[in-house]
Amino acid sequence: AQKVTQAQTEISVVEKEDVTLDCVYETRDTTYYLFWYKQPPSGELVFLIRRNSFDEQNEISGRYSWNFQKSTSSFNFTITASQVVDSAVYFCALSEFTDYKLSFGAGTTVTVRA
Amino acid sequence: DTEVTQTPKHLVMGMTNKKSLKCEQHMGHRAMYWYKQKAKKPPELMFVYSYEKLSINESVPSRFSPECPNSSLLNLHLHALQPEDSALYLCASSQDNYSGNTIYFGEGSWLTVV
Repeated sequence: AQKVTQAQTEISVVEKEDVTLDCVYETRDTTYYLFWYKQPPSGELVFLIRRNSFDEQNEISGRYSWNFQKSTSSFNFTITASQVVDSAVYFCALSEFTDYKLSFGAGTTVTVRA
Repeated sequence: DTEVTQTPKHLVMGMTNKKSLKCEQHMGHRAMYWYKQKAKKPPELMFVYSYEKLSINESVPSRFSPECPNSSLLNLHLHALQPEDSALYLCASSQDNYSGNTIYFGEGSWLTVV
């Protein structure tokens, strides 16, 4: 069964627009970890954030913010005032206490047009 | 800049060739990984080394042979590959292979089998 679902395949926005990427996960573990990675066309997977299941505080880092809601099993990611350099594929991933291997979502391709 | 470095960046090889992909990290991490990523798909785990010992082989064909000479280095030896093996190969590392540790990826090696 798919553990991480990123329903949006592609999102296209104009520069300075906000964009929100959805991530829904499924696990029976009470301890688990959620991640977001960015993959620009160069190929490298860049780590953005790690969140454990006991910390539901939202987080902001510059133009990036994350909204973790255990009640809906969601860990959404928002880019505020998008820029062309934000164009990339973004992956949400889950690591469970009983299975530490990363389970990736299918990824969302974000294209920011100038 | 990534602290996981991979060489070569690009590799084209024939189906009868023998080649190797190399990976190095200097973060003192004790777990290292090989992932394979096909176009428009998330990365798929191939191998995990923990404290220089192979701990996971995700049923990878024997034409892929990993090697961990020391805690900083990870190689992937390639022999008699098929065109369908063409993909981005990502090396990664983490502090250890326990749940929740952030996995840091390199820039990847783009492999084309002709």
